[in-house]
Amino acid sequence: KNQVEQSPQSLIILEGKNCTLQCNYTVSPFSNLRWYKQDTGRGPVSLTIMTFSENTKSNGRYTATLDADTKQSSLHITASQLSDSASYICVVSDRGSTLGRLYFGRGTQLTVWP
Amino acid sequence: EADIYQTPRYLVIGTGKKITLECSQTMGHDKMYWYQQDPGMELHLIHYSYGVNSTEKGDLSSESTVSRIRTEHFPLTLESARPSHTSQYLCASSSNEQFFGPGTRLTVL
Repeated sequence: KNQVEQSPQSLIILEGKNCTLQCNYTVSPFSNLRWYKQDTGRGPVSLTIMTFSENTKSNGRYTATLDADTKQSSLHITASQLSDSASYICVVSDRGSTLGRLYFGRGTQLTVWP
Repeated sequence: EADIYQTPRYLVIGTGKKITLECSQTMGHDKMYWYQQDPGMELHLIHYSYGVNSTEKGDLSSESTVSRIRTEHFPLTLESARPSHTSQYLCASSSNEQFFGPGTRLTVL
């Protein structure tokens, strides 16, 4: 069964600190993995997208890693800011259908305190 | 500016009412989607469309219906709202990547 599991479920850190969010997936055949940021009451916004051959990709203070062999990904946030408080969702796409079906994790709720 | 829009953003309505959630995109995407999301839970696909006059049901069974008469417009309708329909509804469109609208928070009393 295609699944995406994220950990931790929630995380509280102080402003300026770093943190790492984890994503494990069983989706096959794998197409790509994306990390989205979802602010409360808003739609998800894409942070990074990684294909099978990519190990790491950065977007400002966000750095995503992918290990396609172990089917694990991480999102590292550097020097956190209050505006980083949001839910971070790992989304994996398969290439077994023309729809490019997306499988969503439940997200990690990050809270950054001043 | 290319974007995806949803209206209303918030809706509180009584049981039994008919409602339509609007979704429009200006990116010219053929593929569009409706997701349902409860607090702290993952997004569930309830409807999708490959293009005009194409609509399919998603993974999560839903009493809602959709239509796709124009490329840019993908409205979702509930004929008779119930409290169990209370949720956030997210619309998306895609070429190689999905872009999400801001969502509609629906509360049925």
